[in-house]
Amino acid sequence: DQQVKQNSPSLSVQEGRISILNCDYTNSMFDYFLWYKKYPAEGPTFLISISSIKDKNEDGRFTVFLNKSAKHLSLHIVPSQPGDSAVYFCAASAGGGSNYKLTFGKGTLLTVNP
Amino acid sequence: EPEVTQTPSHQVTQMGQEVILRCVPISNHLYFYWYRQILGQKVEFLVSFYNNEISEKSEIFDDQFSVERPDGSNFTLKIRSTKLEDSAMYFCASSQKAEWNEKLFFGSGTQLSVL
Repeated sequence: DQQVKQNSPSLSVQEGRISILNCDYTNSMFDYFLWYKKYPAEGPTFLISISSIKDKNEDGRFTVFLNKSAKHLSLHIVPSQPGDSAVYFCAASAGGGSNYKLTFGKGTLLTVNP
Repeated sequence: EPEVTQTPSHQVTQMGQEVILRCVPISNHLYFYWYRQILGQKVEFLVSFYNNEISEKSEIFDDQFSVERPDGSNFTLKIRSTKLEDSAMYFCASSQKAEWNEKLFFGSGTQLSVL
C-alpha cells in the first residue's frame, strides 16, 4: 500500500547545482504535504510544507511545488550544499482531528558532492 | 529548541522478551505518536494517542503492542513478546494540535534488534 511514492532511492548532485526530489501520491484525500530531512542517527526533522490549495511554497533555498492534477510534488534545493546531504522523506496527511497522522514515502538519499 | 527525546538509542533483545521504549515528548504538546522504520522501508504509522487514549492505530499495532503515558512527561511503547520482524527503528513524535496542517516533531529513534 504505497500511497506516497518516492521512486528515486538516491540522487547525487554537485555543490551549487539544483537538487530536485520527486514524490507522487495516490490518495486524493491528502490535503497537506510535508518534506522531512533525516541525518543518520537522528529523527526526521521538518523542512517545508505545502497545502493542497497552493501550488508553490518557498523558504530560502527550498521550494516545494505541487501539481494536484498529476498528484505530484517536488522539492527543489538551490543552490545545493554538502550539508544538505541526507535522506529526504515526502509525507502527506488527510484532514485533522484526533486521527491525524502522516503517511510517508520511502525516502530519497541526497548526496551533494563538493 | 524543545525536542522529543527517546531512550534507549539502541535495544537488543531476545525473541519472546518484552521491551519498553521510552519517549519524552515536547512539554506543551498534547498529541503523541509512534512510528517505525524497518531497514530499507518507509516510515510507518503505528499509533496516535491523545487525552490518555489511543486515537488511531494501524494494522501493525496488534495485541502485542501497547502504549501508555504513565506520568505527565513520559510516553512509552511496550512490545509484550517480541518477534524477529519487530526489528526496526522506532520513532516517537509529538504535536501541539492535530489540525490538518500540523507538523510532527520526531525523536532520534530507538533501534530495536530482536535476535
